[in-house]
Amino acid sequence: EIVMTQSPATLSVSPGERATLSCRASQSVSSNLAWYQQKPGQAPRLLIYGASTRATGIPARFSGSGSGTEFTLTISSLQSEDFAVYYCQQYNNWPTYTFGQGTKLEIK
Amino acid sequence: QVQLVQSGAEVKKPGASVKVSCKASGYTFTSYDINWVRQATGQGLEWMGWMNPNSGNTGYAQKFQGRVTMTRNTSISTAYMELSSLRSEDTAVYYCARGKLRYFERVRGDAFDIWGQGTMVTVSS
Repeated sequence: EIVMTQSPATLSVSPGERATLSCRASQSVSSNLAWYQQKPGQAPRLLIYGASTRATGIPARFSGSGSGTEFTLTISSLQSEDFAVYYCQQYNNWPTYTFGQGTKLEIK
Repeated sequence: QVQLVQSGAEVKKPGASVKVSCKASGYTFTSYDINWVRQATGQGLEWMGWMNPNSGNTGYAQKFQGRVTMTRNTSISTAYMELSSLRSEDTAVYYCARGKLRYFERVRGDAFDIWGQGTMVTVSS
Protein backbone atom coordinates (compact mmCIF):
# COMPACT_ATOMS: atom_id res chain seq x y z
CA GLU A 1 0.00 0.00 0.00
CA ILE A 2 1.20 3.48 -0.84
CA VAL A 3 1.47 5.66 2.26
CA MET A 4 0.81 9.38 1.90
CA THR A 5 2.45 11.63 4.48
CA GLN A 6 1.44 15.27 4.83
CA SER A 7 3.37 18.00 6.59
CA PRO A 8 3.03 19.92 8.71
CA ALA A 9 0.09 18.57 10.70
CA THR A 10 -0.93 22.13 11.54
CA LEU A 11 0.09 25.32 9.77
CA SER A 12 -0.56 28.77 11.23
CA VAL A 13 -0.60 31.59 8.68
CA SER A 14 -1.94 35.13 8.66
CA PRO A 15 -4.60 36.21 6.15
CA GLY A 16 -3.02 37.60 3.00
CA GLU A 17 0.12 35.52 3.39
CA ARG A 18 1.20 32.47 1.41
CA ALA A 19 0.66 28.93 2.66
CA THR A 20 2.66 25.94 1.46
CA LEU A 21 1.48 22.42 2.27
CA SER A 22 3.47 19.27 1.50
CA CYS A 23 2.54 15.71 0.64
CA ARG A 24 4.96 12.83 0.19
CA ALA A 25 4.22 9.40 -1.27
CA SER A 26 6.05 6.26 -0.14
CA GLN A 27 6.57 5.35 -3.80
CA SER A 28 6.03 7.13 -7.08
CA VAL A 29 2.45 8.04 -7.95
CA SER A 30 3.44 9.91 -11.13
CA SER A 31 1.09 12.91 -11.37
CA ASN A 32 -1.93 10.97 -10.12
CA LEU A 33 -2.46 13.10 -7.07
CA ALA A 34 -5.39 15.20 -5.88
CA TRP A 35 -5.89 17.80 -3.17
CA TYR A 36 -9.11 18.33 -1.23
CA GLN A 37 -10.32 21.01 1.15
CA GLN A 38 -12.64 20.15 4.02
CA LYS A 39 -14.38 22.59 6.33
CA PRO A 40 -16.05 21.55 9.59
CA GLY A 41 -19.32 19.72 9.04
CA GLN A 42 -18.87 19.61 5.28
CA ALA A 43 -17.87 17.03 2.72
CA PRO A 44 -14.45 17.36 1.12
CA ARG A 45 -14.16 19.51 -1.99
CA LEU A 46 -11.85 18.71 -4.90
CA LEU A 47 -9.29 21.48 -5.44
CA ILE A 48 -6.54 20.01 -7.61
CA TYR A 49 -6.18 16.86 -9.70
CA GLY A 50 -3.37 15.60 -11.88
CA ALA A 51 -1.06 17.22 -9.30
CA SER A 52 -1.48 20.67 -10.82
CA THR A 53 -4.86 21.13 -12.55
CA ARG A 54 -7.43 23.19 -10.71
CA ALA A 55 -10.90 21.70 -10.51
CA THR A 56 -13.89 23.61 -11.84
CA GLY A 57 -14.56 26.83 -9.95
CA ILE A 58 -11.39 26.75 -7.85
CA PRO A 59 -9.75 30.18 -7.53
CA ALA A 60 -6.38 30.81 -9.14
CA ARG A 61 -4.74 31.44 -5.74
CA PHE A 62 -4.70 27.64 -5.32
CA SER A 63 -1.89 25.90 -7.18
CA GLY A 64 -0.40 22.43 -7.09
CA SER A 65 2.99 21.16 -8.14
CA GLY A 66 5.19 18.10 -8.02
CA SER A 67 5.38 14.60 -9.45
CA GLY A 68 6.66 11.23 -8.40
CA THR A 69 6.81 11.31 -4.62
CA GLU A 70 6.90 15.00 -3.65
CA PHE A 71 3.94 17.35 -4.00
CA THR A 72 3.03 20.84 -2.87
CA LEU A 73 -0.21 22.77 -2.54
CA THR A 74 0.29 26.53 -2.44
CA ILE A 75 -2.31 29.11 -1.54
CA SER A 76 -0.88 32.41 -2.69
CA SER A 77 -2.81 34.92 -0.57
CA LEU A 78 -4.92 33.41 2.17
CA GLN A 79 -8.54 34.44 2.44
CA SER A 80 -10.66 33.85 5.53
CA GLU A 81 -12.57 31.06 3.77
CA ASP A 82 -9.35 29.12 3.10
CA PHE A 83 -8.79 28.10 6.71
CA ALA A 84 -9.70 24.43 6.69
CA VAL A 85 -8.17 20.95 6.61
CA TYR A 86 -6.44 19.87 3.39
CA TYR A 87 -5.93 16.28 2.25
CA CYS A 88 -3.85 14.82 -0.53
CA GLN A 89 -4.89 11.59 -2.25
CA GLN A 90 -3.04 9.28 -4.61
CA TYR A 91 -4.96 7.50 -7.35
CA ASN A 92 -2.05 5.95 -9.23
CA ASN A 93 -2.26 2.62 -7.46
CA TRP A 94 -5.82 1.95 -8.63
CA PRO A 95 -7.98 0.13 -7.64
CA THR A 96 -6.63 1.22 -4.29
CA TYR A 97 -6.73 4.83 -3.17
CA THR A 98 -5.03 6.38 -0.17
CA PHE A 99 -5.32 9.73 1.55
CA GLY A 100 -2.82 11.63 3.59
CA GLN A 101 -3.63 12.30 7.22
CA GLY A 102 -4.41 15.97 6.54
CA THR A 103 -2.95 19.40 7.28
CA LYS A 104 -5.00 21.83 9.34
CA LEU A 105 -4.54 25.39 8.12
CA GLU A 106 -5.34 27.79 10.93
CA ILE A 107 -5.36 31.54 11.37
CA LYS A 108 -2.25 32.97 12.97
CA GLN B 1 -27.37 20.09 -10.92
CA VAL B 2 -25.03 17.18 -10.43
CA GLN B 3 -25.40 15.84 -6.93
CA LEU B 4 -25.28 12.82 -4.68
CA VAL B 5 -27.83 12.63 -1.87
CA GLN B 6 -27.28 10.13 0.91
CA SER B 7 -29.67 8.49 3.35
CA GLY B 8 -30.07 9.67 6.92
CA ALA B 9 -28.20 8.96 10.11
CA GLU B 10 -28.21 5.45 11.57
CA VAL B 11 -27.70 4.03 15.05
CA LYS B 12 -26.76 0.37 15.22
CA LYS B 13 -25.75 -2.14 17.86
CA PRO B 14 -22.44 -3.97 17.72
CA GLY B 15 -22.62 -6.97 15.43
CA ALA B 16 -25.40 -5.51 13.29
CA SER B 17 -25.22 -4.34 9.68
CA VAL B 18 -25.89 -0.95 8.13
CA LYS B 19 -26.82 -0.09 4.56
CA VAL B 20 -26.29 3.47 3.34
CA SER B 21 -27.73 4.74 0.07
CA CYS B 22 -26.42 7.36 -2.33
CA LYS B 23 -28.82 8.71 -4.97
CA ALA B 24 -27.30 10.36 -8.02
CA SER B 25 -28.94 13.06 -10.12
CA GLY B 26 -27.96 15.45 -12.88
CA TYR B 27 -25.73 13.03 -14.77
CA THR B 28 -25.66 9.53 -16.27
CA PHE B 29 -25.33 7.32 -13.19
CA THR B 30 -23.86 4.35 -15.04
CA SER B 31 -20.99 6.32 -16.59
CA TYR B 32 -19.04 7.24 -13.44
CA ASP B 33 -17.51 5.19 -10.64
CA ILE B 34 -18.88 5.60 -7.14
CA ASN B 35 -16.47 5.41 -4.22
CA TRP B 36 -17.12 5.21 -0.50
CA VAL B 37 -14.97 7.08 2.03
CA ARG B 38 -15.43 7.26 5.78
CA GLN B 39 -14.27 9.66 8.46
CA ALA B 40 -14.30 9.04 12.18
CA THR B 41 -14.85 12.11 14.34
CA GLY B 42 -11.78 14.31 14.33
CA GLN B 43 -9.91 11.90 12.05
CA GLY B 44 -8.85 11.78 8.43
CA LEU B 45 -10.41 10.31 5.31
CA GLU B 46 -10.36 6.55 4.78
CA TRP B 47 -11.18 5.04 1.38
CA MET B 48 -13.33 1.92 1.61
CA GLY B 49 -13.93 0.82 -1.95
CA TRP B 50 -15.30 1.59 -5.40
CA MET B 51 -17.99 0.38 -7.72
CA ASN B 52 -18.58 0.68 -11.44
CA PRO B 53 -22.35 1.26 -11.64
CA ASN B 54 -22.45 0.09 -15.24
CA SER B 55 -21.00 -3.38 -14.68
CA GLY B 56 -21.45 -3.69 -10.94
CA ASN B 57 -17.75 -4.48 -10.61
CA THR B 58 -16.32 -3.58 -7.23
CA GLY B 59 -12.99 -3.26 -5.44
CA TYR B 60 -12.59 -3.01 -1.69
CA ALA B 61 -9.83 -1.83 0.59
CA GLN B 62 -8.17 -4.81 2.21
CA LYS B 63 -9.22 -3.59 5.64
CA PHE B 64 -12.89 -4.03 4.76
CA GLN B 65 -12.71 -7.21 2.66
CA GLY B 66 -15.37 -9.63 3.81
CA ARG B 67 -17.36 -6.99 5.69
CA VAL B 68 -18.36 -4.48 3.01
CA THR B 69 -20.62 -4.92 0.00
CA MET B 70 -21.27 -2.24 -2.62
CA THR B 71 -24.24 -2.58 -4.93
CA ARG B 72 -26.44 -0.44 -7.10
CA ASN B 73 -29.93 -0.11 -8.56
CA THR B 74 -29.54 1.52 -11.95
CA SER B 75 -33.30 2.03 -12.39
CA ILE B 76 -33.26 4.59 -9.57
CA SER B 77 -29.64 5.79 -9.97
CA THR B 78 -28.73 4.72 -6.47
CA ALA B 79 -25.62 3.14 -5.02
CA TYR B 80 -25.49 1.28 -1.72
CA MET B 81 -22.80 0.45 0.79
CA GLU B 82 -23.48 -2.24 3.35
CA LEU B 83 -21.10 -2.82 6.25
CA SER B 84 -21.60 -5.85 8.47
CA SER B 85 -20.36 -7.05 11.86
CA LEU B 86 -20.30 -3.49 13.10
CA ARG B 87 -18.10 -2.50 16.00
CA SER B 88 -17.65 0.75 17.88
CA GLU B 89 -14.66 1.67 15.70
CA ASP B 90 -17.01 1.85 12.71
CA THR B 91 -18.68 4.93 14.17
CA ALA B 92 -18.03 7.55 11.51
CA VAL B 93 -19.45 9.71 8.76
CA TYR B 94 -19.70 7.74 5.53
CA TYR B 95 -19.46 9.56 2.20
CA CYS B 96 -20.11 8.47 -1.36
CA ALA B 97 -18.04 10.25 -3.99
CA ARG B 98 -18.06 10.21 -7.78
CA GLY B 99 -15.00 9.64 -9.91
CA LYS B 100 -14.33 12.66 -12.07
CA LEU B 101 -13.88 10.82 -15.39
CA ARG B 102 -16.33 8.52 -17.07
CA TYR B 103 -15.14 5.02 -16.30
CA PHE B 104 -14.21 4.24 -19.92
CA GLU B 105 -11.98 7.35 -20.00
CA ARG B 106 -10.12 6.39 -16.85
CA VAL B 107 -6.59 5.03 -17.41
CA ARG B 108 -5.74 4.53 -13.76
CA GLY B 109 -7.65 5.82 -10.78
CA ASP B 110 -9.41 9.13 -10.58
CA ALA B 111 -10.00 12.11 -8.35
CA PHE B 112 -13.41 12.46 -6.71
CA ASP B 113 -15.28 15.52 -7.91
CA ILE B 114 -18.77 15.19 -6.43
CA TRP B 115 -19.41 14.11 -2.84
CA GLY B 116 -22.55 13.23 -0.98
CA GLN B 117 -23.42 15.14 2.18
CA GLY B 118 -22.35 12.27 4.42
CA THR B 119 -24.24 9.80 6.60
CA MET B 120 -23.45 9.51 10.29
CA VAL B 121 -23.37 5.90 11.47
CA THR B 122 -23.15 5.39 15.22
CA VAL B 123 -22.39 1.95 16.63
CA SER B 124 -23.29 1.70 20.29
CA SER B 125 -24.74 -0.84 22.67
